[in-house]
Amino acid sequence: QVHLVESGGGVVQPGRSLRLSCGASGFTFSYYGMHWVRQAPGKGLEWVAVVSFDGSKKFYADSVKGRFIISRDNSKNTVSLQMNNLRPDDTAVYYCRLAVILTDNAYDIWGQGTKVTVSS
Amino acid sequence: SSELTQPSSVSVSPGQTVTITCSGDILTKKLVWWFQQKPGQAPILLLYKDTERPSGIPLRFSGSRSGTTVTLTISGAQIDDEADYYCYSATDKGVFGGGTKVTVL
Repeated sequence: QVHLVESGGGVVQPGRSLRLSCGASGFTFSYYGMHWVRQAPGKGLEWVAVVSFDGSKKFYADSVKGRFIISRDNSKNTVSLQMNNLRPDDTAVYYCRLAVILTDNAYDIWGQGTKVTVSS
Repeated sequence: SSELTQPSSVSVSPGQTVTITCSGDILTKKLVWWFQQKPGQAPILLLYKDTERPSGIPLRFSGSRSGTTVTLTISGAQIDDEADYYCYSATDKGVFGGGTKVTVL
């Protein structure tokens, strides 16, 4: 059973930093890219970042580029999101996501999310 | 532009058919994934590669494409289909549509 569990959310002041983690189990973590997606209160889904299976490639949404850093540790089956210089509009539930496309099926697994509130 | 455009809301009577469109320049070259999200829950994958259904997704969910517009069709809508629906596509970066709230009444 594939399982993703996010942690690290909380309340933080504008300009400060926070690090989110996502622990993975039930699949060969080192084979697949991992995403972070967020959802502001009452708003839609926003793709945030992706890291390739080996950590060599990383891409970011324009809204977080230069402030957020995605990374992974394949020895610990974890993917992280270091969020720096946080702004009130970063307030959201943050989900980690695994997207796998097979020959005749696809899996798109999301964690339960971790809530981040940026407020003074 | 990497934006994806969806209608903000649609409504359907139980048993009827409803369509949700997703359009954007990126769709000239890229395929669409569709997600369903109910309040307080993580999204669920409904369709991938425009038209493909993952195992376990009911047959009443189907997809089609015309040019740079991709459509999700719910045939014989059920009360349980009331939810928010998002299209998604990706180059190196991902992008979600703004979401469509489907009301079944």
